[in-house]
Amino acid sequence: NTKITQSPRYLILGRANKSLECEQHLGHNAMYWYKQSAEKPPELMFLYNLKQLIRNETVPSRFIPECPDSSKLLLHISAVDPEDSAVYFCASSQGFSNERLFFGHGTKLSVL
Amino acid sequence: GDSVTQTEGLVTVTEGLPVKLNCTYQTTYLTIAFFWYVQYLNEAPQVLLKSSTDNKRTEHQGFHATLHKSSSSFHLQKSSAQLSDSALYYCALNTGYQNFYFGKGTSLTVIP
Repeated sequence: NTKITQSPRYLILGRANKSLECEQHLGHNAMYWYKQSAEKPPELMFLYNLKQLIRNETVPSRFIPECPDSSKLLLHISAVDPEDSAVYFCASSQGFSNERLFFGHGTKLSVL
Repeated sequence: GDSVTQTEGLVTVTEGLPVKLNCTYQTTYLTIAFFWYVQYLNEAPQVLLKSSTDNKRTEHQGFHATLHKSSSSFHLQKSSAQLSDSALYYCALNTGYQNFYFGKGTSLTVIP
């Protein structure tokens, strides 16, 4: 799936700061960050619609999202914790009601 | 509250035989959409099926599902399983405004 690109693909961190990037080439209005821990379904972290933060789930404050334009999404992470080890998926949808999600290939974060 | 239940965590089926993955749900919303997502190893989830119409069969890639609001179910079926069908399958409910509820997932293994 090259329609939603994420970088980096793999990330190994100590307690450093890092940003995950996502760009969608589908012309979608809504963009999401999902976290998928081992053997669990994806869990919503943040949802933007037309660049506005709509949903902000119970997420540690060390995760800060940013939506610089309607096709890009960033996730800034500071002072990661071992519980943050997971795959972080960017996703998008055309609209904001009963729409299917299109996922990027994910960033696998491993915290040392 | 809203929820999705997938009763089987692991399903093993022999190639060529039928397979059925169960999905039931609880919701108070009237305008809802259902999805089956498939996630292959080390890949992102991708939509397999979508339905929002009661008692209407939806088909894709040999899989089919019918939303039955009377029994609150959206089971996934295939008449003849293939080795390439081995993957993780998530049932998901969208209650509108992109409120997605994912089931815990069913890992399907197709053996020769």
